[in-house]
Amino acid sequence: SYDLTQPPSVSVSPGQTASITCSGDKLGDKYACWYQQKPGQSPVLVIYQDNKRPSGIPERFSGSNSGNTTTLTISGTQAMDEADYYCQAWDSSTYVFGTGTKVTVL
Amino acid sequence: EVQLVESGGGLVQPGGSLRLSCAASGFTFSRYWMHWVRQAPGTGLVWVSRIKSDGSSTSNADSVKGRFTISRDNAKNTLYLQMNSLRAEDTALYYCAREAGSSGVLGAFDIWGQGTMVTVS
Repeated sequence: SYDLTQPPSVSVSPGQTASITCSGDKLGDKYACWYQQKPGQSPVLVIYQDNKRPSGIPERFSGSNSGNTTTLTISGTQAMDEADYYCQAWDSSTYVFGTGTKVTVL
Repeated sequence: EVQLVESGGGLVQPGGSLRLSCAASGFTFSRYWMHWVRQAPGTGLVWVSRIKSDGSSTSNADSVKGRFTISRDNAKNTLYLQMNSLRAEDTALYYCAREAGSSGVLGAFDIWGQGTMVTVS
């Protein structure tokens, strides 16, 4: 099976940059996306096709994907960005989510 | 407004069955691939099943193969998940989700429902 590994937690100060990594075998050869999930809410797509933002997602969210790692970057992090973040990719009709990262804005 | 509304969850005994429904509105349902994703309490997201826009092809996670069946009725704008031989480990909040784009290339889920809870006990 295909696995995507994320750090369990990331802490960031308000206004600073948070980087969340997601690792998987040859992940750079696939399309990666990212979801934000706040407590008690459904996930929200924040990045798709490696680095594209859906309508309504702030510009401070950006993504990259190369080699074995995809990265979600939140620039100028705000308190409202505190949430769980999941990477996701697909291969051979199977879709895989990462293990999830809790972002804490201190 | 683009919306997905799940229903059909509940408490079921191990070995039992349940059918989940997901009613779509605000978009042309028949043009999109659709998915089920689940999340056990306090844990992460897990993909369950996928069906192509015309229902011609489905795919399932290994953990549910042979037990769960995804289907759709494009005339009723509704997605289904028939769950048989349920196990305690199937306990989770089940979300239906729309795949972005209409070609199945992007593999990203741009619209999610609010979820319906399934408890196997």
